[in-house]
Amino acid sequence: KQEVTQIPAALSVPEGENLVLNCSFTDSAIYNLQWFRQDPGKGLTSLLLIQSSQREQTSGRLNASLDKSSGRSTLYIAASQPGDSATYLCAVRPASGGSYIPTFGRGTSLIVHP
Amino acid sequence: DAGVIQSPRHEVTEMGQEVTLRCKPISGHDYLFWYRQTMMRGLELLIYFNNNVPIDDSGMPEDRFSAKMPNASFSTLKIQPSEPRDSAVYFCASSLSRSEAFFGQGTRLTVV
Repeated sequence: KQEVTQIPAALSVPEGENLVLNCSFTDSAIYNLQWFRQDPGKGLTSLLLIQSSQREQTSGRLNASLDKSSGRSTLYIAASQPGDSATYLCAVRPASGGSYIPTFGRGTSLIVHP
Repeated sequence: DAGVIQSPRHEVTEMGQEVTLRCKPISGHDYLFWYRQTMMRGLELLIYFNNNVPIDDSGMPEDRFSAKMPNASFSTLKIQPSEPRDSAVYFCASSLSRSEAFFGQGTRLTVV
């Protein structure tokens, strides 16, 4: 059974810092990995989707990398801003077995203070 | 497309009452997922549909929970009777095959 772990569970940084959020998974046979952002009281917003054949994806100040063999993905946020404060979740989809269910981590709660 | 639409956004009900949550997926998406989110357990998959057919409902906690998808543009999640421990945020999500999943804004359910 796939297990997804996100470390740290919470992070508080001053504005302007570059930071890295980690996501690890136990079964490397994945189809893709997706990073989400969740603001308090809101739904999940998709940030980046990385296919298993890709090594990284970029969107603005966000860069997500994938090392499938080691079961790890990182989300890099450059020059963090208070508006980046949210919970960040990663989810992986299996490569086979007919099940397309994404497995989610518990998320990293990020606070960027001015 | 307006994205995944859920209603209501908030629901407060008394224990024992029936609760119905509604979801309209993104047009053209063939997968629909119902999740429940709590502080204690995080995001839990309750059930998912493929082309309107329920594929895996092993996450449905009890027989009090049921879900239907009568057509490609509508799904419901029903709890009858509701209990205080059902209080959570319920999310609906849809995707096209195994591609990017899109979530609705959720329904915050409070059972008193």
